[in-house]
Amino acid sequence: AQKVTQAQTEISVVEKEDVTLDCVYETRDTTYYLFWYKQPPSGELVFLIRRNSFDEQNEISGRYSWNFQKSTSSFNFTITASQVVDSAVYFCALSAAGANSKLTFGKGITLSVRP
Amino acid sequence: KAGVTQTPRYLIKTRGQQVTLSCSPISGHRSVSWYQQTPGQGLQFLFEYFSETQRNKGNFPGRFSGRQFSNSRSEMNVSTLELGDSALYLCASLPGPPLHYNEQFFGPGTRLTVL
Repeated sequence: AQKVTQAQTEISVVEKEDVTLDCVYETRDTTYYLFWYKQPPSGELVFLIRRNSFDEQNEISGRYSWNFQKSTSSFNFTITASQVVDSAVYFCALSAAGANSKLTFGKGITLSVRP
Repeated sequence: KAGVTQTPRYLIKTRGQQVTLSCSPISGHRSVSWYQQTPGQGLQFLFEYFSETQRNKGNFPGRFSGRQFSNSRSEMNVSTLELGDSALYLCASLPGPPLHYNEQFFGPGTRLTVL
């Protein structure tokens, strides 16, 4: 069975603060993918990043960075110098190897960035 | 390139009725997956389709069904609606077969309210 835990439910920060969203996952598979999606108020999920289980290299994309640690089964997401436009619900998701696209999502973290 | 289209965007039904939701994937995309999003259960996988065939199904009762047409458009149907079926139903499209590493492109969802 697979499980994704996002222990933080709501985070509120002031603009320009850095914020880290935590994600812990469980799977028995050795091959899997981890994803982060953003859900703005409009509703659609927007893809942010994909990482496979064999690639523990951290990634940075502009103000966004991701830290993947297999030893702690974590895939954390940091937003540097947050902006009001970053306000959204953020989901971490897991996909196990195989001929299916099923994503197991965490419950999501509601991020509010105040001006 | 147009994104994923879902119709209708909002729907109100009463218990016992049935409903059909439609999803048009991105042009050229061949797989469609469906998710249900509720405050209590979060995002849960319903099913996925490729080449007009259901490839994988989540843990939902038989009242939930779907199909895919030759042009890759997909519909999902919920019969004998229950109050608990009130949710945001999200559709995602994928460029090829449903594989675990594929990025999924989500539509804006259909908000179903059951009274």
